[in-house]
Amino acid sequence: AQSVAQPEDQVNVAEGNPLTVKCTYSVSGNPYLFWYVQYPNRGLQFLLKYITGDNLVKGSYGFEAEFNKSQTSFHLKKPSALVSDSALYFCAVRDGSFNKFYFGSGTKLNVKP
Amino acid sequence: DSGVTQTPKHLITATGQRVTLRCSPRSGDLSVYWYQQSLDQGLQFLIQYYNGEERAKGNILERFSAQQFPDLHSELNLSSLELGDSALYFCASSVGTGRIMNTGELFFGEGSRLTVL
Repeated sequence: AQSVAQPEDQVNVAEGNPLTVKCTYSVSGNPYLFWYVQYPNRGLQFLLKYITGDNLVKGSYGFEAEFNKSQTSFHLKKPSALVSDSALYFCAVRDGSFNKFYFGSGTKLNVKP
Repeated sequence: DSGVTQTPKHLITATGQRVTLRCSPRSGDLSVYWYQQSLDQGLQFLIQYYNGEERAKGNILERFSAQQFPDLHSELNLSSLELGDSALYFCASSVGTGRIMNTGELFFGEGSRLTVL
């Protein structure tokens, strides 16, 4: 069965420091992986996706994610965090055959000035 | 702006009542997904439609139903409402190609916040 795990409910980081939000997945077949961000009382916004190719994927707002097949991980990263990055982040995997999306439980990112 | 439109944005009603939430997908998108997000909770998948047909069901209660119309807009009907149904309900759309391999992302609306008193 497909699943996504975000092991951290919350990540705290100081502004200017690098940030990592963790995601691991379990899929049968090729993984199609996504990151979304949700600001308070807003819908989810697409950040980036991995389908195939280069393991380092670049996305919106300076975010990037590293696909690691052996560790079945897809961690979200940013070299220098901004206070405005504070939000809820969701990792998701898509079952390409059946068009189902499976979302992680979300990680709240707090960036302190 | 994702291109997905949801109405109403806010809705306050009483227990036992029935409400309808509406979603217009992005132009050209055939698949519509409905999700529920309760306070401090993750996303619970409710149901998916593709080109008017139900394609997948998640944790949708029997009191809830949905449909997708020929113009591809979708409605989520919630009946016999309970306090626990208070949540943010999201609609998302994607291109969707039925059972053909699809790697596209979902585009989410801003949600409909339902408060049941």
